[in-house]
Amino acid sequence: QVQLQESGPGLVKPSGTLSLTCAVSGASISSSHWWSWVRQTPGKGLEWLAEIYHSGSTNYNTPLRSRITISVDKSKNQFSLNLSSVTAADTAVYYCVSRLAGPNYYYPLDVWGEGTTVTVSS
Amino acid sequence: EIVLTQSPGTLSLSPGETATFSCRASQSVSNNFLAWYQQTPGKAPRLLMYAASTRATGIPDRFSGSGSGTDFTLTITRLEPEDFAVYFCQQYGGSPFTFGQGTKLEIK
Repeated sequence: QVQLQESGPGLVKPSGTLSLTCAVSGASISSSHWWSWVRQTPGKGLEWLAEIYHSGSTNYNTPLRSRITISVDKSKNQFSLNLSSVTAADTAVYYCVSRLAGPNYYYPLDVWGEGTTVTVSS
Repeated sequence: EIVLTQSPGTLSLSPGETATFSCRASQSVSNNFLAWYQQTPGKAPRLLMYAASTRATGIPDRFSGSGSGTDFTLTITRLEPEDFAVYFCQQYGGSPFTFGQGTKLEIK
């Protein structure tokens, strides 16, 4: 059973970079899963940001593509999100999420971390 | 991107009643890759249904999903106290994955 746990600073200054890590347990980061980040705000609701496969393949939410870096660390069995040039609009609860990867079939986002609140403020 | 519109915004019902949630997509959802999630305050969303009508592991048969193309429905029969929460639909048939704005199910 895959389990996910987010970690990272709860406060980031405007124009800075938000950096979060998701520790994966119960499965190898190199197993057949896509690893995603989703955020939630009261105003915009749930917003899928990006996902990565252990091979390095990625998918992004296009409007945020230029500000997002998503990566996998196989040695630590974790994946990370960097979001640059943050503003107050990036204040949200950030979730790491996984879904199975399969040939010719799309699986849903089925395992969620508990979420971590990030506030952008000076 | 596919925009998902959920209705109603709030549903007020009593335990034992049947809840019906609607999710309409701005364009056809590929292969009906449409999921439903339940979220209670302070918790992460929990997967209820996927591929429009398949229950996720451990979800009771009081929950059912239907629909195809652009119109989807989640139905919960015999409402129990723990069912009162916010429900989201989400399409994952194409990138970017998108979510509806949610429907709040509240106790009448």
